[in-house]
Amino acid sequence: EADIYQTPRYLVIGTGKKITLECSQTMGHDKMYWYQQDPGMELHLIHYSYGVNSTEKGDLSSESTVSRIRTEHFPLTLESARPSHTSQYLCASAGLAGGIDTQYFGPGTRLTVL
Amino acid sequence: GIQVEQSPPDLILQEGANSTLRCNFSDSVNNLQWFHQNPWGQLINLFYIPSGTKQNGRLSATTVATERYSLLYISSSQTTDSGVYFCAVGITGANSKLTFGKGITLSVRP
Repeated sequence: EADIYQTPRYLVIGTGKKITLECSQTMGHDKMYWYQQDPGMELHLIHYSYGVNSTEKGDLSSESTVSRIRTEHFPLTLESARPSHTSQYLCASAGLAGGIDTQYFGPGTRLTVL
Repeated sequence: GIQVEQSPPDLILQEGANSTLRCNFSDSVNNLQWFHQNPWGQLINLFYIPSGTKQNGRLSATTVATERYSLLYISSSQTTDSGVYFCAVGITGANSKLTFGKGITLSVRP
């Protein structure tokens, strides 16, 4: 299993604050992903990266931004949080090894914007 | 883009019962994974199964790629099996991403 970490696990903040959700993996995976998921609902891909200095927007439009300066690190930033950003944010990574392309998830960050 | 449909959307079982969860997809894929999301929100990869059959304890999965469906079997269900089961598909490669189904919510009652 890949080791993938997200901090913080829970975050409650006020409207207008800038926040950064951290995601790190120790498996050397080139591919990393951010998903947004409301409780009991489907996962929506909001950002992904295929390697250092590579970032792409996902299927669901998001006001967040991401960066990939190091292979192991893929932070997500909201410049000005709003109540509509309240959700769970899941980070994942994947590496192609021996033809097997398995995706592994971090524990998630539950964000509440008041 | 590719469409992924999972059925049934909800399932309630008595502990000890068996169940079959289905995933249909609309286009050819060479990457199919099943995940379990526990009540705390953590997603665990159950199977990487683009074709064929695999078994892991009480769980097994079968993918018939030519007919574009996959089945997840849960035998002798336990309360810890409760949660949401997601099927995700895609094309393996350096630039791959997965398309997820909407999930199947399983509740196992004691």
